[in-house]
Amino acid sequence: DGGITQSPKYLFRKEGQNVTLSCEQNLNHDAMYWYRQDPGQGLRLIYYSQIVNDFQKGDIAEGYSVSREKKESFPLTVTSAQKNPTAFYLCASMASGTPGPYNEQFFGPGTRLTVL
Amino acid sequence: DAKTTQPTSMDCAEGRAANLPCNHSTISGNEYVYWYRQIHSQGPQYIIHGLKNNETNEMASLIITEDRKSSTLILPHATLRDTAVYYCIAPTGANNLFFGTGTRLTVIP
Repeated sequence: DGGITQSPKYLFRKEGQNVTLSCEQNLNHDAMYWYRQDPGQGLRLIYYSQIVNDFQKGDIAEGYSVSREKKESFPLTVTSAQKNPTAFYLCASMASGTPGPYNEQFFGPGTRLTVL
Repeated sequence: DAKTTQPTSMDCAEGRAANLPCNHSTISGNEYVYWYRQIHSQGPQYIIHGLKNNETNEMASLIITEDRKSSTLILPHATLRDTAVYYCIAPTGANNLFFGTGTRLTVIP
C-alpha cells in the first residue's frame, strides 16, 4: 500500500527534552511538509522540503529542526527551545513542490505530542 | 497566496446537499482552488480542486464563479460521515499552503 506514515500516534515527553517525530512516505514524492495544529485551529506550516537535502522554514519554525537525508523520510525534532510544544503534528507529501493541476497533498495520520 | 475566507461553522440535514462557500477575492489567474477535509483527529484528506471550470468527482462538486473570486463545494447527499472541518486553500507555492480554520460542517440526523 502506498501512503504516508507517522509514528508514534501518541507521544509523551517531559519538559526540556528533545523529541523526534517520524514521517515516512513510499509515494516517491519529492516534497514533504510538517504542520502543527492546536485545538480548534487550522494547520500552520513548520518546515517543508521540496527535494532531498534541502528544506525551508515555514511560518513557525522556531524551536523545531528537520532533516531530509532520504527522499522517503522527513523527521521533525521538537527541541527544548519550543515554548509550547503540546500539539497535533501532521506530516504531508506532494508529488512536486509546486501546487498545480495534478498536485495535491497527502497527509499522514498525525502524532499527538503532549509535554508534561 | 490568495487568502481565503470561510464561515466558521455550518449545519446540514442528513441526505440533503451541503453547500460550503469560500471567498478568495485576491486569487490570481494561475492559482488553483483546493478543498480538503479533516475528520476529527485525523490528517486532512484531499477532496477536489479547480481553476476556472466547475469540477465533479465521486466525492463532491466544485462550483467556481466566473470572476473566480469565490467557490462553493457541494456534497450532494450529506451523510453523518461527512461531518468534518472543510478547508479551502489557494496555494501558489510550496511555502504558501495556508489552511486557515476552515468550516466545521455538522451533518444532523
